[in-house]
Amino acid sequence: DAGVTQSPTHLIKTRGQQVTLRCSPKSGHDTVSWYQQALGQGPQFIFQYYEEEERQRGNFPDRFSGHQFPNYSSELNVNALLLGDSALYLCASSPYEVVTNEKLFFGSGTQLSVL
Amino acid sequence: KQEVTQIPAALSVPEGENLVLNCSFTDSAIYNLQWFRQDPGKGLTSLLLIQSSQREQTSGRLNASLDKSSGRSTLYIAASQPGDSATYLCAVYSNYQLIWGAGTKLIIKP
Repeated sequence: DAGVTQSPTHLIKTRGQQVTLRCSPKSGHDTVSWYQQALGQGPQFIFQYYEEEERQRGNFPDRFSGHQFPNYSSELNVNALLLGDSALYLCASSPYEVVTNEKLFFGSGTQLSVL
Repeated sequence: KQEVTQIPAALSVPEGENLVLNCSFTDSAIYNLQWFRQDPGKGLTSLLLIQSSQREQTSGRLNASLDKSSGRSTLYIAASQPGDSATYLCAVYSNYQLIWGAGTKLIIKP
């Protein structure tokens, strides 16, 4: 079992550009959540996807959008990048029938640097 | 609004010592509290999860306690080892979200 996989591991973009990050959930998991972790801070919840729909959303602007595919993999898109978007982006997967965090697994993250 | 605070932000101790990491939260209406370990380049690993009805959980050399009424949790690490060096984060689950502290960076000196 490969666990949760994220790609790419590192990414460098310039202000104003757009970026797409990818996540494959752990085998047997159908729900994907995305988190942003700024340096020296705890992760912050961006949104959660299940059945190809956004189910929950944190306090992030519409520049942050996502998608879930029929195979449960997910993408996080960020438009009009700002310097403040520089962070580690973490993907977590879980089975939806467990509505809490009790079977949540995290990927290693994508480190995004915006110059 | 739920806020989670971890003290200290960083801690350096000699190998073999027992140590305590602290976590506090402002709203006692939590479903559970979870302690994670974060290693550079390796994402987050769940260590212990305490349900709101529980007082503590133990796994090996780790023991986590929860006092919901006072909004506090502690992570006790016994007989620390250099391999315990990492950032430790606590998170509370409430309103369908995990709310995280900023973490305690722990360095165990050989």
